[in-house]
Formats: sequence, structure tokens, C-alpha cells
Amino acid sequence: EPEVTQTPSHQVTQMGQEVILRCVPISNHLYFYWYRQILGQKVEFLVSFYNNEISEKSEIFDDQFSVERPDGSNFTLKIRSTKLEDSAMYFCASSGSRAQTQYFGPGTRLLVL
Amino acid sequence: AQSVTQPDIHITVSEGASLELRCNYSYGATPYLFWYVQSPGQGLQLLLKYFSGDTLVQGIKGFEAEFKRSQSSFNLRKPSVHWSDAAEYFCAVGAKNNNDMRFGAGTRLTVKP
Repeated sequence: EPEVTQTPSHQVTQMGQEVILRCVPISNHLYFYWYRQILGQKVEFLVSFYNNEISEKSEIFDDQFSVERPDGSNFTLKIRSTKLEDSAMYFCASSGSRAQTQYFGPGTRLLVL
Repeated sequence: AQSVTQPDIHITVSEGASLELRCNYSYGATPYLFWYVQSPGQGLQLLLKYFSGDTLVQGIKGFEAEFKRSQSSFNLRKPSVHWSDAAEYFCAVGAKNNNDMRFGAGTRLTVKP
């Protein structure tokens, strides 16, 4: 069964550093998403991406964040200058079309020191 | 925008007992409703979803949920809980006109032997 994959599974970084989280969505899906989950809190929507552009984003997704689909398979989330409060689990998801079921990857746990 | 409330932060049931996890949503039109399960350190696995049609939906692992429009609820049920069901359960609501899926805060299920 096809699945969403994410790398790395864990990332530790220093405050102020840039990080790139990578995702490989399900191959025939067209919509891609990033969510985050701060430890002990709810899963929060960050951004959705379709046709090589952002379709929706939340108030969390500020100028420090960017997303890109650099090739036909990868979907990345970049945090330009990490802050302590960016420490969280980041989930990638994909869906076949708008408002269809989103399938989630296993997550990348980011720790900012 | 849509929102979800899961009133119970933590529920403990005995193995073999029945289970009901509550979920209430807020959305002006017909919502798309989901239940996801998250085991410790793992990603989000889709249990079941409601888009339209029969209001009682069956999912994996013996779970079912019932959409009640009059009560704005989508409660998750299982007739007999297994120890392996211990996990965090998230209700989520999506909408036809956006990709922003909103999650509840989650309910942590503990199963007593």
C-alpha cells in the first residue's frame, strides 16, 4: 500500500539555523500539506500546496517558513531561522484531490536547542 | 472556519469493555469528518471518515462512528476494546471549500488489563 514518507525521522538543530524537512507524498496525489504538533498539544495545520503554489496557510506559517516541490517526488518544508518554539513533530500529508482524505507520514521530530 | 472539540482528555477502560470517544464539531455546512489514531512516537493513521451518505461509518480495527447532524457530533465507538487500542485518538473536520483540516486536542485512551 502506498504511503507518505518523511526524512529525517529526528532532527536536532541550534537556534537560528535553517532546517529542511523532506517528504515524499503518495505518487499520484496532487495536494500536499504540512502540519505540526507541539509536544502534548493538538495537531495544527500549517500549509497546503497545489499546482506548485500555496493554496492555504495558517497564521503559524509566517515568513520564516517556506515550502517547495523541487522535483516530481519531494515536498519540502524549510524553516529559515529556527526558534526554540519551533520544536515539534512535523507531519506531511497528501491527498488525491481537494478535501479528500489526507494520508499522513510518520513525522519528523524537530528539536531546537 | 471549522473547529473540533474533544471533551475528554483522557479515558481509561478495561480490556473487553465498550468504548465511546466524543467529538463535536462546528461548521456551517456539511463537514468532512475523520478519526485518526496516533500510537506513541508514531504518525497519524486514518481509522475512518465521513463525507456523505450513511451516517454510520465503519473503519479499521473494529471501530465505527456515527455522524449526528442535530448534535454536531461524530463519536467513535468500539464494542470491545483490546490492549493494543491504547493510543491517542484525534477527531478532525475538513470542509469542501478548503484544505485546512482542523484537529481536536485528542483523547488519550488507556486500557486496563
